[in-house]
Formats: sequence, C-alpha cells, structure tokens
Amino acid sequence: EIVLTQSPATLSLSPGEGATLSCRASQSVGSYLAWYQQKPGQPPRLLIYDASNRATGIPARFSGSRSGTDFTLTISRLEPEDFAVYYCQHRNNWPVTFGQGTRLEIK
Amino acid sequence: QVRLVESGGGVVQPGGSLRLSCTASGFSFSSYGMHWVRQTPGKGLEWMTFLRSDSNEQQYADFVKGRFTISRDNSKNTLYLQMNSLSAEDTAVYYCAKNREGPGSYAGPFDIWGQGTMVTVSS
Repeated sequence: EIVLTQSPATLSLSPGEGATLSCRASQSVGSYLAWYQQKPGQPPRLLIYDASNRATGIPARFSGSRSGTDFTLTISRLEPEDFAVYYCQHRNNWPVTFGQGTRLEIK
Repeated sequence: QVRLVESGGGVVQPGGSLRLSCTASGFSFSSYGMHWVRQTPGKGLEWMTFLRSDSNEQQYADFVKGRFTISRDNSKNTLYLQMNSLSAEDTAVYYCAKNREGPGSYAGPFDIWGQGTMVTVSS
C-alpha cells in the first residue's frame, strides 16, 4: 500500500501568516491526491482534490500543488478558522490511504 | 441539503457484532460510490471499505477483510456496514463518505461526510 508522510507534524503560526504543509507519497499517485481539513468534533472537509483543484466553496487562499511524489497545501494568509488538522489522501489505487495529519496551531 | 447521517454505534463486547447505517439525503444516492472511514486517536483516519453505486464492486482494507461487510439499499438511500468479530482495536468513530465523482469505482475524493458514529468495543 502507498504510504503518505505528512510534515511537519505540528505547525505553529500566527493569523495573517502563510502556511505550507507537505505530503510525500511512497510511490507515484499521479495527481490523485486530496487534502482535507478537520476541526475538533467535526468530520473532515474536502479542500483540494487531484492535487490542485479547490473543492466547492473553498476560499482561494487555499491552493495545492504537486512535484513528482511531493504535494503541498498552501494557505496564503491564515484566518482564525484555518487552525485545524490537515490530512492528505490518495486515490490512485486500492487501498486508499491517508497521511497521519499536520496540526496547524496558533502561535 | 446534502447530508449523510450515521447510526447504529454503541458499546459492544469483544467478539460481538454491530451494524452501522448511513442514511443519505439531498442527492441522488444511487448514482455515487460510497465509503466507510474510521478514525481513532492513535491511528488517525483509516479507509475501510468502498461499494460502487450499483453494488457490483466492493473493496476492503486488509484489516477488515473477512470481518466487515459493506452493503447498500438504494431504494432506502442507505449504506450499511456489518461488523463482526469486533476487538478493542475497532474502537473508533465511524464515518460514511460519498465519492465526489459519479457511479464508477473511484477511491475518492470524499466530498460529503457524515458526522460519525462512535463504536466502543469493551467488556
């Protein structure tokens, strides 16, 4: 199965700053990678699919990119509501796997 | 309003069984593949199983093969997960999730999630 490794585990930033979250796949997943945001007590919310496509209703400050097996989620200017846990997930083949998550916390 | 609502969670003894349900509304349930995903504090999000819109394809993670069975009743807009031989390691919040794309065998992405139902396996 494909292993997705997210870094860093925790990212401490202030509102207004930019955030860069990484997800590395153990083998090629093409562009079939998605990013989710999860807040306490809530299910995950789809942000980005197929590496760089924003899901419906997602603000433009969220963007995704790919370089080979390395994927990046960028949040251009952090809003207070952006502090949450972020997960990546591939859909290249079965089984689906998720990364272990990056916690974005307020500095 | 597009919505998924899970039910059927609770406390069950080791070795026991439980059936979860996921009722859909606000979209054409019969047109989408559906998944079950669970979440534990220790292991994060774990994809478990997929069922195609017409029930003609199932996929399972190795850790549930032979123990859990996914099914659906499109006439009732409901997805099911039958869980047998439960152990403490199955304690988790269980989510159903909808494929963003249509009826094919897509392994996500998941654009709609339920709120989850808690399953606790304990004696």
